[in-house]
Amino acid sequence: DSGVTQTPKHLITATGQRVTLRCSPRSGDLSVYWYQQSLDQGLQFLIQYYNGEERAKGNILERFSAQQFPDLHSELNLSSLELGDSALYFCASSGISYNSPLHFGNGTRLTVT
Amino acid sequence: GQQLNQSPQSMFIQEGEDVSMNCTSSSIFNTWLWYKQDPGEGPVLLIALYKAGELTSNGRLTAQFGITRKDSFLNISASIPSDVGIYFCAGPPQGTYKYIFGTGTRLKVLA
Repeated sequence: DSGVTQTPKHLITATGQRVTLRCSPRSGDLSVYWYQQSLDQGLQFLIQYYNGEERAKGNILERFSAQQFPDLHSELNLSSLELGDSALYFCASSGISYNSPLHFGNGTRLTVT
Repeated sequence: GQQLNQSPQSMFIQEGEDVSMNCTSSSIFNTWLWYKQDPGEGPVLLIALYKAGELTSNGRLTAQFGITRKDSFLNISASIPSDVGIYFCAGPPQGTYKYIFGTGTRLKVLA
């Protein structure tokens, strides 16, 4: 168990809808990262937060947004969903040092129909 | 953009064989991480490397931080069926906070 909790595990929704994915980092970790993994693909970096502030941004679509709250949990909001957004979405957390390794949750599997 | 290339892309090996895979980039890295991912699960950290030339082991796994700081290597000795999965390298290119992931090496072990 990595200590990173993601909810829900599965999500099925229709095109055009909006969903929110939630992540609780490991105790003591200040950084949260979000990744998207499409079927049989690699992990695409979306965004990173550190202690509530956005620190790095990847190829995150404008329809997607995220935030990290004062209690350090994070939410990833996906709106105007398209079929191509179907994927596994992973959250990872890391410690204070900039090169602390990432520890991953078990992901949320999003299916857009 | 920044990219991590892993090779081989996939490999079939016999149980008991040793496995080698590598990860290369055009960018310099100060940290290299190796992960294993099982189907439908999150990647699990195997080894972390922080210095050029560093050699670190975790059981049957050994990883090395390349001298040029643009590559890393992972070896698995005496493979067993549970080594099946996808192995990813990852790290933040120098000067960034973005942890990017390699393209992955899919390992299949034949009993």
